[in-house]
Amino acid sequence: AQKVTQAQTEISVVEKEDVTLDCVYETRDTTYYLFWYKQPPSGELVFLIRRNSFDEQNEISGRYSWNFQKSTSSFNFTITASQVVDSAVYFCALSSNSNYQLIWGAGTKLIIKP
Amino acid sequence: DTEVTQTPKHLVMGMTNKKSLKCEQHMGHRAMYWYKQKAKKPPELMFVYSYEKLSINESVPSRFSPECPNSSLLNLHLHALQPEDSALYLCASSQPPGPLFLTQYFGPGTRLTVL
Repeated sequence: AQKVTQAQTEISVVEKEDVTLDCVYETRDTTYYLFWYKQPPSGELVFLIRRNSFDEQNEISGRYSWNFQKSTSSFNFTITASQVVDSAVYFCALSSNSNYQLIWGAGTKLIIKP
Repeated sequence: DTEVTQTPKHLVMGMTNKKSLKCEQHMGHRAMYWYKQKAKKPPELMFVYSYEKLSINESVPSRFSPECPNSSLLNLHLHALQPEDSALYLCASSQPPGPLFLTQYFGPGTRLTVL
């Protein structure tokens, strides 16, 4: 069975702090895909990143960075120097060639206080 | 700017009404999806269309009826809904699943309230 666990239900930090959102996944497939989406209060799900299982390179995009570790089945997301606009619910999701549907984590609500 | 648009943004309807949600994508994708999302929960897949044909129906009640008139449009017809159907309805699009799973891009959603 496939599963995504986001153990942090809610995180609250003060602006400019760094924050890491955890994502742990389970799958028996050797080829799979991991995603992060952001959902601000407006409701739209915004795609942030996709990582393929055969590409373990970490990625940095501005203040955002992602740490993919197959050894621990984790795909963590770090925001550096957080800003109020980063406040949102963040979802981690998994898919694979045996199940093209997205398997979603429960989401982490991130609150950035000014 | 999102390339998946949804109308209306908000909808309030009675249990005897018939209404439709509309979704349009401008990315040349050939797969489109309907999701339902309740508050503080992740999205739940309802329907998938691939090349304008219904490929997945996740045991959704018949009061929800999808339609895909062409490759860029997706409708969700609503009839005799229940108050528990109140939710955010999200549309998404992607290239159809194949050798590579490609990313789904979501619209802004329709907030539906059933009275």
